[in-house]
Amino acid sequence: NAGVTQTPKFQVLKTGQSMTLQCAQDMNHNSMYWYRQDPGMGLRLIYYSASEGTTDKGEVPNGYNVSRLNKREFSLRLESAAPSQTSVYFCASSEGGTVLSYEQYFGPGTRLTVT
Amino acid sequence: KNQVEQSPQSLIILEGKNCTLQCNYTVSPFSNLRWYKQDTGRGPVSLTIMTFSENTKSNGRYTATLDADTKQSSLHITASQLSDSASYICVVSAKGAGSYQLTFGKGTKLSVIP
Repeated sequence: NAGVTQTPKFQVLKTGQSMTLQCAQDMNHNSMYWYRQDPGMGLRLIYYSASEGTTDKGEVPNGYNVSRLNKREFSLRLESAAPSQTSVYFCASSEGGTVLSYEQYFGPGTRLTVT
Repeated sequence: KNQVEQSPQSLIILEGKNCTLQCNYTVSPFSNLRWYKQDTGRGPVSLTIMTFSENTKSNGRYTATLDADTKQSSLHITASQLSDSASYICVVSAKGAGSYQLTFGKGTKLSVIP
């Protein structure tokens, strides 16, 4: 099993450009998440999808959109990239919600730089 | 506001020695507490998950403790190895509307040297 995979691994964008980060999981998990990790800060939730067909905002959703394409795939789109979106982005998945102690499995991350 | 504070920020220990990392939280109402290990350039990997009723949980050389009354947790690493060099992140889940959201600490960066 590959677990959670993310593409691309690295990306450099110019301010105003758009791009989509791809995430897929092969564990048949219901819930998927997008986080960003910045130096000196804890991971912050951007968006999550509790189940196929649903998406909800997390702590820092501004400037991002998401699509839960099917049960396996959850993409994150930056419509007009800004330097403040320079970060490492992690996708994660879990069988269910965090209250029920379901373990979250993280992907390897996408390192995005916006110049 | 829900918060998770970890100490120390960084720690250097000799291979073979033990160490303890601390986590204090103000998340309420509490659901569960997790410890993750994050190697440089990789995603976090779960070490333990503890609910309100659990006060100790082990995973190999890693032992986590939880005191829900004082809202403190610790992660004890026994007989450290070079491969233990990583950031260790304390994460707390709250019950209620944010049932899919976690509050992450900033992590403790552990360096194990020969």
